Amino acid sequence: DTEVTQTPKHLVMGMTNKKSLKCEQHMGHRAMYWYKQKAKKPPELMFVYSYEKLSINESVPSRFSPECPNSSLLNLHLHALQPEDSALYLCASSQDSPGSTTNEKLFFGSGTQLSVL
Amino acid sequence: EDQVTQSPEALRLQEGESSSLNCSYTVSGLRGLFWYRQDPGKGPEFLFTLYSAGEEKEKERLKATLTKKESFLHITAPKPEDSATYLCAVQSLGEALNFGKGTSLLVTP
Repeated sequence: DTEVTQTPKHLVMGMTNKKSLKCEQHMGHRAMYWYKQKAKKPPELMFVYSYEKLSINESVPSRFSPECPNSSLLNLHLHALQPEDSALYLCASSQDSPGSTTNEKLFFGSGTQLSVL
Repeated sequence: EDQVTQSPEALRLQEGESSSLNCSYTVSGLRGLFWYRQDPGKGPEFLFTLYSAGEEKEKERLKATLTKKESFLHITAPKPEDSATYLCAVQSLGEALNFGKGTSLLVTP
């Protein structure tokens, strides 16, 4: 199984809503990532979890709250988002964490297309 | 600070018309250079990793090469199904991937 599975595929939410994005991988990877991608732009790193601990937080607003319940699951909790947060949210995993000596090839999920009204 | 610049931003080819995409980079301590393909509304799909200057890798109509300052993705006799955005990313020691802005490729029949 070389898949990263993200749910939901599409999400529309109001600025007062609370929602969660979910990501799952069963490749035994020890690092998991959240990226944000706006149309016609490259993915922007938000968070990295290594061995279930938050290792990188790229100064993301607190209305985005990541959670790693176990080594296979990654959540992104959303609260009080703004319309400018509308984007494709991508989850990825790699065998080991950034800075390790192993191959850092990322496997990406298909993403959640988020629209904030 | 690591920098990754891809050119051209967009490229339109006729089916069968070979061409190359460029990725120039500035990084302290290159750990790897990665090429990804991304279709609209989907996550990036891994294509190649290159680690050292002179390295080459091939997959079907695609061939990636690496020098000390840039990488090329050569597309030989492209087909319409090769239309996508091609992303280049570099990794330096201790850092997560740094992506370029991508090249949007359109191959017309």
